[in-house]
Amino acid sequence: RKEVEQDPGPFNVPEGATVAFNCTYSNSASQSFFWYRQDCRKEPKLLMSVYSSGNEDGRFTAQLNRASQYISLLIRDSKLSDSATYLCVVKRDQGGKLIFGQGTELSVKP
Amino acid sequence: GAGVSQSPRYKVAKRGQDVALRCDPISGHVSLFWYQQALGQGPEFLTYFQNEAQLDKSGLPSDRFFAERPEGSVSTLKIQRTQQEDSAVYLCASSLPGSQPQHFGDGTRLSIL
Repeated sequence: RKEVEQDPGPFNVPEGATVAFNCTYSNSASQSFFWYRQDCRKEPKLLMSVYSSGNEDGRFTAQLNRASQYISLLIRDSKLSDSATYLCVVKRDQGGKLIFGQGTELSVKP
Repeated sequence: GAGVSQSPRYKVAKRGQDVALRCDPISGHVSLFWYQQALGQGPEFLTYFQNEAQLDKSGLPSDRFFAERPEGSVSTLKIQRTQQEDSAVYLCASSLPGSQPQHFGDGTRLSIL
């Protein structure tokens, strides 16, 4: 079993739809949590950090439940430009390595 | 540019050859990481440097893989006697100390024939 597990993709949604990605992690000592976005044949880029209180950045909302070791990302009013692979990422300690999930592919259609 | 620079962008080698992949981090970033990304998978950690010190090499898959950062800036990942299973994208990332975000380079796409 991988340390970070994500919903298998791909997700195919129409423009304007709301889509939710889920992720679980197995190491309770994990300290930091992120969502990265990766476009085809490009490098991963930080989308947002995830906090226990939940956080929002425009159309994107991230949630963390430490008790159930569960992370989510909600995208509202999806755009064609949101099409990408979304990677759930945890870090066990400050300054340390990132542990990535497999990634979930999102395709937003007109 | 001001980002992480990796070279070459693409590398094709025959099985058994040695390859060297270069990473030039963002100026001033003391932390440097190497990751391996197989097709359809998320990146997997290989090794981590803080300045010139290699603090974690637990992700290196075999003793054919070797990384160095002799002057605490540019890093080289070397793979000896390449095998087909080494075919992947090799990503380099750098960051400031502590909990600062990691910035990734474009990666080197390695194909072993």
